Amino acid sequence: DAKTTQPPSMDCAEGRAANLPCNHSTISGNEYVYWYRQIHSQGPQYIIHGLKNNETNEMASLIITEDRKSSTLILPHATLRDTAVYYCIVRVAPSGGSYIPTFGRGTSLIVHP
Amino acid sequence: DAGVTQSPTHLIKTRGQQVTLRCSPKSGHDTVSWYQQALGQGPQFIFQYYEEEERQRGNFPDRFSGHQFPNYSSELNVNALLLGDSALYLCASSFMAGVYEQYFGPGTRLTVT
Repeated sequence: DAKTTQPPSMDCAEGRAANLPCNHSTISGNEYVYWYRQIHSQGPQYIIHGLKNNETNEMASLIITEDRKSSTLILPHATLRDTAVYYCIVRVAPSGGSYIPTFGRGTSLIVHP
Repeated sequence: DAGVTQSPTHLIKTRGQQVTLRCSPKSGHDTVSWYQQALGQGPQFIFQYYEEEERQRGNFPDRFSGHQFPNYSSELNVNALLLGDSALYLCASSFMAGVYEQYFGPGTRLTVT
């Protein structure tokens, strides 16, 4: 799997958009970008994933650059409960296939009042 | 609908002992993956079980072994415990060997003294 690079920490004001970047310059054509977050003392929580098109769900939006070498997770209206470590990982998702996902240290997002 | 459950929540063992951790996947999921998360680090992939077989394995020694039962639940066994095995052990379930997003349990905190 391609490796990812994320800033170690970021902060955001409550109610503002939080934009979390991820660099995955060695991504392969069949690798998906996945985002998870981990709130203190809990297991990671799946947020969103995408291949090359921008994606949006009830939690966040994922913007992937045209060359797929980087992406941005957007939390449109951050709340205090969004304070967590956010992980960007890339992995192959073939039909019935297998993979070894690699989590880095992620970005620690602190949302302040 | 119960999510991923793990037991026990906390465990204290002595160096050299053996430990068994248990995981029940989310309803409808058939694949279980295990991760080790040291303090301040991202989760590290141990192995994945699908159709009662180990499908993929991360860079962990043979002291780490597992099993998946016909009801898709899984066990993680660690023999000859070392102090460095102290960590949060996470179980994640998914459908079809990782094609879809994973759902993580709350983890088991193992302390080796």
